[in-house]
Amino acid sequence: GPKVLQIPSHQIIDMGQMVTLNCDPVSNHLYFYWYKQILGQQMEFLVNFYNGKVMEKSKLFKDQFSVERPDGSYFTLKIQPTALEDSAVYFCASSLQGATEVFFGKGTRLTVV
Amino acid sequence: GDSVTQTEGQVALSEEDFLTIHCNYSASGYPALFWYVQYPGEGPQFLFRASRDKEKGSSRGFEATYDKGTTSFHLRKASVQESDSAVYYCALNNAGAKLTFGGGTRLTVRP
Repeated sequence: GPKVLQIPSHQIIDMGQMVTLNCDPVSNHLYFYWYKQILGQQMEFLVNFYNGKVMEKSKLFKDQFSVERPDGSYFTLKIQPTALEDSAVYFCASSLQGATEVFFGKGTRLTVV
Repeated sequence: GDSVTQTEGQVALSEEDFLTIHCNYSASGYPALFWYVQYPGEGPQFLFRASRDKEKGSSRGFEATYDKGTTSFHLRKASVQESDSAVYYCALNNAGAKLTFGGGTRLTVRP
């Protein structure tokens, strides 16, 4: 089936540094998402993105977070600066339409030390 | 705000047992309801969805029926296999393009 690829699978970073998580969504999809999952807890919506713009974001999407997809390349989540509480698995997802079948990547495990 | 509650955090069964995982939701309006399954080291995978009252969604032997009266969307399977061991998430979409997930239910099936 369609695949969402996330790079890297695991990233360790010092607190205060910047990190960029990369996502290659399904090629013809139009909606893109980031979700956060702290170990053993539920998936939490961060942000969605359509037509070059953020459509919705949750209160977890702090001012230090930003997303972009320049020229149809990777859909990225940037955190600058990182904090200890940002340690989690971040899942990228995409869908052809909103509120339909959403395809998730395998996640990037971010560890902030 | 919208929320999804899965009663069981963990379920342990033997092969060929009947599975029920309970899902209740709280949302204004008329949300679409989903079940996703997550295997170790993977992201959640779409199982099926239902969009209106009494609609049944199904896939791979799993099924759930949208019940607006009881605000429920319980997952059932008549005969589980060891390969069904995974974490199952109930989720809803209520306008916009985001999923609100329940806490997840870890299913372990013994051979």
